[in-house]
Amino acid sequence: EVQLVESGGGLVQPGMSLRLSCAASGFTFEDYAMHWVRQAPGKGLEWVSGISWNSGSIVYADSVKGRVIISRDNAKNSLYLQINSLRADDMAFYYCAKSPNGYSSSWYFDSWGQGTLVTVS
Amino acid sequence: QSALTQPPSASGSPGQSVTISCTGTSSDVGRYNFVSWYQQHPGEAPKLIIYGVTKRPSGVPDRFSGAKSGSTASLTVSGLQAEDEADYYCSSYAGSDNLVFGTGTKVTVL
Repeated sequence: EVQLVESGGGLVQPGMSLRLSCAASGFTFEDYAMHWVRQAPGKGLEWVSGISWNSGSIVYADSVKGRVIISRDNAKNSLYLQINSLRADDMAFYYCAKSPNGYSSSWYFDSWGQGTLVTVS
Repeated sequence: QSALTQPPSASGSPGQSVTISCTGTSSDVGRYNFVSWYQQHPGEAPKLIIYGVTKRPSGVPDRFSGAKSGSTASLTVSGLQAEDEADYYCSSYAGSDNLVFGTGTKVTVL
């Protein structure tokens, strides 16, 4: 069974940085592209970033480009999201989501974690 | 890139059908067949129910079906059941390595 467990969220001050993690299990992590999607409390979903199986292709939403860095460590079955210069509108649940194949260009997500909440205040 | 437009709410009685629209533009829904739908129950993570406009992942009941016409995609839930009460989001590839989600629709089973 696919399991994705996010961590690293919490209360941070505006302007600070945060690194989110996603621990994957139940599938061969290194074979699949991964993404981050966020959701402000009570609001809709917003795609943030994606990374291919070998980190060769990395894509970002325009809303976070330049402030966010996605990375992965296939040896540790882990996905990361570094968010810099945090702003009030970054406050959201951050979900890691699995692609159906190794390429970030599949553009849909067949498994999701439960999310980690980032509060900016 | 603007969010795709969905009606805020939809409802139906058990056994009835409900259809949710997802309106985009010729640059996203109208151009690509990368339309997906997700179901999200309160306090839970989203769950994929439709991808590639019409395809259902294994385990998703065939009561869920997707379609597209021009720049508008749609999700139909037939034979509504109590457990179908949830928020539903569409998404579409929008070109230039960008994905856009819909505004979300809350489905109520009366």
